[in-house]
Amino acid sequence: DAGVIQSPRHEVTEMGQEVTLRCKPISGHDYLFWYRQTMMRGLELLIYFNNNVPIDDSGMPEDRFSAKMPNASFSTLKIQPSEPRDSAVYFCASSKLENEQFFGPGTRLTVL
Amino acid sequence: EDKVVQSPLSLVVHEGDTVTLNCSYEVTNFRSLLWYKQEKKAPTFLFMLTSSGIEKKSGRLSSILDKKELFSILNITATQTGDSAVYLCAFPDNYGQNFVFGPGTRLSVLP
Repeated sequence: DAGVIQSPRHEVTEMGQEVTLRCKPISGHDYLFWYRQTMMRGLELLIYFNNNVPIDDSGMPEDRFSAKMPNASFSTLKIQPSEPRDSAVYFCASSKLENEQFFGPGTRLTVL
Repeated sequence: EDKVVQSPLSLVVHEGDTVTLNCSYEVTNFRSLLWYKQEKKAPTFLFMLTSSGIEKKSGRLSSILDKKELFSILNITATQTGDSAVYLCAFPDNYGQNFVFGPGTRLSVLP
């Protein structure tokens, strides 16, 4: 198995632009998580899905962030409009069980 | 093969007790070791440890790493019922593609 796949690995954009991050979970996993990691705040859960249904989006910072999971093998995290404070590494993780997750390599986002 | 072992797997204590959770690991290319707390939802980050002998503290929680003996401990003092959770340690695998998680220690703190 290739593991959790994320794209792009790096994204540099200007403030105000739309950013879309993509994730392909491990096949057969029922849960998909989006995390944001910064030096200041560590790893923060943004949202997670179970069987493609969003379960908890309380970590989504504000309306500029949205996430979708149209099918079991694909999810997107969109930021519109992006701001410099959104600069971080965004991880997607998937799991078969709630307490065992496999993380993707992350997308390093820089908003100028 | 990279692996991580946690002990005990389950622990029941009363409020006010102090607990020590253990994590031992084998990894080809050690980068860091992370501790997470997981309640009903996904894990929340507690600590990242990269250097031996340097204690990380956050309130009643503290953790330290021994890279020579390949283990880490997580201490919780004056436990509260809100500390009840599964505590996971994890580290990036040799390729940096995935985090290798231990099985977790399920801590139950009784009033």
